[in-house]
Amino acid sequence: DAGITQSPRHKVTETGTPVTLRCHQTENHRYMYWYRQDPGHGLRLIHYSYGVKDTDKGEVSDGYSVSRSKTEDFLLTLESATSSQTSVYFCAISEPSGRGITEAFFGQGTRLTVV
Amino acid sequence: DAKTTQPTSMDCAEGRAANLPCNHSTISGNEYVYWYRQIHSQGPQYIIHGLKNNETNEMASLIITEDRKSSTLILPHATLRDTAVYYCIVSYYGGATNKLIFGTGTLLAVQP
Repeated sequence: DAGITQSPRHKVTETGTPVTLRCHQTENHRYMYWYRQDPGHGLRLIHYSYGVKDTDKGEVSDGYSVSRSKTEDFLLTLESATSSQTSVYFCAISEPSGRGITEAFFGQGTRLTVV
Repeated sequence: DAKTTQPTSMDCAEGRAANLPCNHSTISGNEYVYWYRQIHSQGPQYIIHGLKNNETNEMASLIITEDRKSSTLILPHATLRDTAVYYCIVSYYGGATNKLIFGTGTLLAVQP
């Protein structure tokens, strides 16, 4: 299994509080991604990173910010959590090859509940 | 990134081949076709990808039409453990735009 760890795995937080989810990898892959998954929506890309300090928005970035100060860590922050951000969050990593992106490896997910 | 269209759900008998279609009529020349699957609530798992030639690995085969506007993922001998949501993704390879955009996928139910 690829070395990718998400923490925490489960979190319950109150509306209006800041929340940070961490994705840690030991594979030295260049690309890291944050997705959310809600019933009926599949996975939606929030933000992604293509190198240290290089990040870009995905499909549903409003209300989220990210940081990547070193290769192995990609942090997702909800500045002021809302109930609509209750979801399962997945982190993924990949390393491009000469044949397109190599396979992306996903973490086990973080179940976040905002009450 | 080009959009994909997949059936919402499909059934397949155990031991038979499962053929999952995907339409990507707006695909551009430098976009790859990827297939991932997600079993229950686990993180998605890579299956296979290709540009224009057919591809095969230990899990599946990928057949891409000559005009590249559609593709088919083939699981040659489906088992109950292949029951999952299968995602077809089209993605451009290059620079900072290396990202995977998932749709809602096809729920494949393998029946005993």
